[in-house]
Amino acid sequence: GENVEQHPSTLSVQEGDSAVIKCTYSDSASNYFPWYKQELGKGPQLIIDIRSNVGEKKDQRIAVTLNKTAKHFSLHITETQPEDSAVYFCAASRTRPFNKFYFGSGTKLNVKP
Amino acid sequence: DTEVTQTPKHLVMGMTNKKSLKCEQHMGHRAMYWYKQKAKKPPELMFVYSYEKLSINESVPSRFSPECPNSSLLNLHLHALQPEDSALYLCASRRSGNYNEQFFGPGTRLTVL
Repeated sequence: GENVEQHPSTLSVQEGDSAVIKCTYSDSASNYFPWYKQELGKGPQLIIDIRSNVGEKKDQRIAVTLNKTAKHFSLHITETQPEDSAVYFCAASRTRPFNKFYFGSGTKLNVKP
Repeated sequence: DTEVTQTPKHLVMGMTNKKSLKCEQHMGHRAMYWYKQKAKKPPELMFVYSYEKLSINESVPSRFSPECPNSSLLNLHLHALQPEDSALYLCASRRSGNYNEQFFGPGTRLTVL
């Protein structure tokens, strides 16, 4: 089955700096890669995703890059703000056959004001 | 609207109690999921319903019994739980076909005494 590894497990940055979280996956058939943000006491929130036919996707301060050859994808947050502090999970899945999501172990991001 | 609702928000139960968790979505999604999440860990898949039929059971103990009465509702019936079952229980839904976005509810915080 698929195996997703996520690094680092914790990340502290100063407000305004950039943050990068990296994930690797093992199944070359995986073709969909979402990122979730989970704040304390809440459910995970989908913040951005990327499909295997795209190399990069941006949404304001957040971007995701995908390298299919190396089987890794990364989340980039620019101009970090204290409200970006949360746990971030990457995930991988395939469209066919069934769409089961494999999650990374999570990264706790702390943005210091 | 990408809302998945869950009730109750918090639940405390004894090991001999029977209780149910409820999940609802009105996005027309035909795949619904139950996850269990322990502190500082990623969500762990329990069950998947696709078109109201159970399609995946991740070897979950029979004291957890899922039910999908219709395409908008998902229940998780609990009976004779153990203290180690205390966790955040998350419901999620996803569109069928090639649309992979999965949306989570806020979760039910369960404590088993």
